[in-house]
Amino acid sequence: VQLVESGGGLVQPGGSLRLSCAASGFTFSDHHMEWVRQAPGKGLEWVGRSGDKGNSYTTEYAASVKGRFTISRDDSKNLLYLQMNSLKSEDTAVYYCSRGIWEWGQGTLVTVSS
Amino acid sequence: DIVMTQSPDSLAVSLGERATINCKSSQSVLYSSNNKNYLAWYQQKLGQPPRLLIYWASTRESGVPDRFSGSESGTDFTLTISSLQAEDAAVYYCQQYYSTPITFGQGTRLEI
Repeated sequence: VQLVESGGGLVQPGGSLRLSCAASGFTFSDHHMEWVRQAPGKGLEWVGRSGDKGNSYTTEYAASVKGRFTISRDDSKNLLYLQMNSLKSEDTAVYYCSRGIWEWGQGTLVTVSS
Repeated sequence: DIVMTQSPDSLAVSLGERATINCKSSQSVLYSSNNKNYLAWYQQKLGQPPRLLIYWASTRESGVPDRFSGSESGTDFTLTISSLQAEDAAVYYCQQYYSTPITFGQGTRLEI
């Protein structure tokens, strides 16, 4: 199993960014996927989930990002996405994708600053 | 939301000694249909993603050394590292995956 995040970078407050997570080594459509973030020097915070095919790809979000972030996936390309809009300084973090509780990617850093 | 509270926030243990980290959930994470607690333990070293150590509160993930063990009693959970090794220095997190929002404990920093 391999998960590789990309798309992080520096963005101004109020801006947008789309993260990607490329998955390999397992049947992507059979698994729900999570986004988890970690602010610098802080603990882990769940961002949201994309349900699997059997769960009709239901998405769920943390209250802190609901209405601003959107999770989607492309099972034909084994890709998971996190569209982040109206970014705030408190969204600055390393963003990880994970296959349920099992494997995690190395993360991609998002910095929201002017 | 289920609140996960770890204790202590940090601890220092000597090589070869035992380390114990506690985690308490604010409500049950026991799924009655399979009688399993939806509780995981992770290890995170500096600059690395979390690594799954224990799931179902007490099942060791494949490849995890058997000095790591998990136990459960109601809403109280414990991660024990017997015979501490230098490479065990890390931050440890508990996580409930019983319901969304998935929540983590605040982390316990283990120093050797």
